[in-house]
Amino acid sequence: DAGVIQSPRHEVTEMGQEVTLRCKPISGHNSLFWYRQTMMRGLELLIYFNNNVPIDDSGMPEDRFSAKMPNASFSTLKIQPSEPRDSAVYFCASNIHGQAPYGYTFGSGTRLTVV
Amino acid sequence: QKEVEQDPGPLSVPEGAIVSLNCTYSNSAFQYFMWYRQYSRKGPELLMYTYSSGNKEDGRFTAQVDKSSKYISLFIRDSQPSDSATYLCAMSANGQNFVFGPGTRLSVLP
Repeated sequence: DAGVIQSPRHEVTEMGQEVTLRCKPISGHNSLFWYRQTMMRGLELLIYFNNNVPIDDSGMPEDRFSAKMPNASFSTLKIQPSEPRDSAVYFCASNIHGQAPYGYTFGSGTRLTVV
Repeated sequence: QKEVEQDPGPLSVPEGAIVSLNCTYSNSAFQYFMWYRQYSRKGPELLMYTYSSGNKEDGRFTAQVDKSSKYISLFIRDSQPSDSATYLCAMSANGQNFVFGPGTRLSVLP
């Protein structure tokens, strides 16, 4: 199993540009989570999907952020326009909804730097 | 007050020591508890999972939950340099959306 695959691993962009982060969850996992990690705030849940449907997006910071899951094997997190305060590591994670031990499998993350 | 609190460290111990890592929380509805280990520039990986109160042991790792005190612990016996990482606690009321602690950075010195 290749695990949760995220791309790109690193992204450096200028303020105001659009950024798209991509995630492929583990095959068979039906829940997908987007987290953001910073030194100041730790790991924050942005949004999660069950069976491709967004369930809770209350963690999405503002309208500049959007996430989609068009099918069970692909999700995107888009930031438009990007700002320096969006600089963080963005993690995607997946699991099987309702099945113990409930823990997530995380991807290796995308390190985003907005200059 | 944050929902989940954790001493950020860093915590430095000699190889072979017993390590105690702890989290406190404020939401009495939490009943699913996990510990993750995160190596530098990697994603967190699940170490231990506990439901409700009690202890769970897996090799050198023991997880304890005390719901009455809203306090969870992770013990690492015979610590190794390879245990050097950041340890994150995570908890949930429904087993789905977990709240993470800020993490404790551990260094095990050879």
